[in-house]
Amino acid sequence: GQQLNQSPQSMFIQEGEDVSMNCTSSSIFNTWLWYKQEPGEGPVLLIALYKAGELTSNGRLTAQFGITRKDSFLNISASIPSDVGIYFCAGQRWTGNTPLVFGKGTRLSVIA
Amino acid sequence: KAGVTQTPRYLIKTRGQQVTLSCSPISGHRSVSWYQQTPGQGLQFLFEYFSETQRNKGNFPGRFSGRQFSNSRSEMNVSTLELGDSALYLCASNGLAGGGETQYFGPGTRLLVL
Repeated sequence: GQQLNQSPQSMFIQEGEDVSMNCTSSSIFNTWLWYKQEPGEGPVLLIALYKAGELTSNGRLTAQFGITRKDSFLNISASIPSDVGIYFCAGQRWTGNTPLVFGKGTRLSVIA
Repeated sequence: KAGVTQTPRYLIKTRGQQVTLSCSPISGHRSVSWYQQTPGQGLQFLFEYFSETQRNKGNFPGRFSGRQFSNSRSEMNVSTLELGDSALYLCASNGLAGGGETQYFGPGTRLLVL
């Protein structure tokens, strides 16, 4: 099925560094969601975006809904060891009544 | 509000058997989606139920089926299990938040087929 192009696939960073990851698509999406998944658990919603150009923060996390509606990015500032996990972007073509399409994830490792 | 619950958390089956997984969505949510997650394919959409009706279906064979009850609890069934069905099966509870619809995931059921 359709998937979003998420990059990078993996990142190794030093504690305290900032992180940036993004998702792109050839199709327009009306909703972008960012999730974090830790081993043995389901994805946990971090940030939801519903309007083109929207910039939303959740603590040290900031995400933006691209103005073209075909991309989104997630930034994590001043990373800490508990940021380790797999981050997924998800897009929804139409609000309600359509399934989410997921990126393949960005695996983040933080070196203390 | 309690989150999404899934049972069982872990399951081991053999080829040819069938399995039923259960999901209870967040209270008040009427829509439930199911996903299969594997290292190779990532998160793949199985189906979505809303008010006891299947509203969307992904590209999975007919061995994968589901249903939803009047209390919004949902089950998915996989018949004639194959080795490739080994995966984490995730249920998501769909509800409105902020400016639109959002999906909240349960912890998943990890299925191992031997």
